[in-house]
Amino acid sequence: KQEVTQIPAALSVPEGENLVLNCSFTDSAIYNLQWFRQDPGKGLTSLLLIQSSQREQTSGRLNASLDKSSGRSTLYIAASQPGDSATYLCAVRSGSGGSNYKLTFGKGTLLTVNP
Amino acid sequence: EAGVAQSPRYKIIEKRQSVAFWCNPISGHATLYWYQQILGQGPKLLIQFQNNGVVDDSQLPKDRFSAERLKGVDSTLKIQPAKLEDSAVYLCASSSSLRASYNEQFFGPGTRLTVL
Repeated sequence: KQEVTQIPAALSVPEGENLVLNCSFTDSAIYNLQWFRQDPGKGLTSLLLIQSSQREQTSGRLNASLDKSSGRSTLYIAASQPGDSATYLCAVRSGSGGSNYKLTFGKGTLLTVNP
Repeated sequence: EAGVAQSPRYKIIEKRQSVAFWCNPISGHATLYWYQQILGQGPKLLIQFQNNGVVDDSQLPKDRFSAERLKGVDSTLKIQPAKLEDSAVYLCASSSSLRASYNEQFFGPGTRLTVL
């Protein structure tokens, strides 16, 4: 059974700092990994999707890396801003094939960027 | 392109009552998902549709939860009767393909259910 762990559970940083969020998963046989952002009371916004054959993806100030063999991914946020404050969720897609694909989520990291 | 729409946004009911949630996926998306997100947890998949057929409902509490996707577009999720532990945010998501490698999911704003 796939399990996804995110560390830390919460993080508070001053504005302008670079930061790293961590995600680990127990079964390395994944198809892809997706990072989401969730604002309070809102749905999930997809930030980056990394296919299993890729090592990293970049979008603006965000960079996500994937080390499938070790079951790890990191989300790097450069020059953090108060508007980055949200919960960041990591999810992996895995399964045995056919229709048996599941997206398994971690519990998220609550990020607060202080002005 | 319009996103995934859900209604209502908020619902408060008493235990043992019934409730229904509605979802309209992104136009053309064949795959639709319902997730339950309890406070402080990540979303948990309840049911997955491909067009109007159920692909996976292994984590759906079928004694009280039901879902349908008539005509392969809109979907409704129903809880009858509700329990206190059903208090959560119910998220709907859609994707254009069941193919795992290209399956980016897009989420709606969710329905926050409070059971008193």
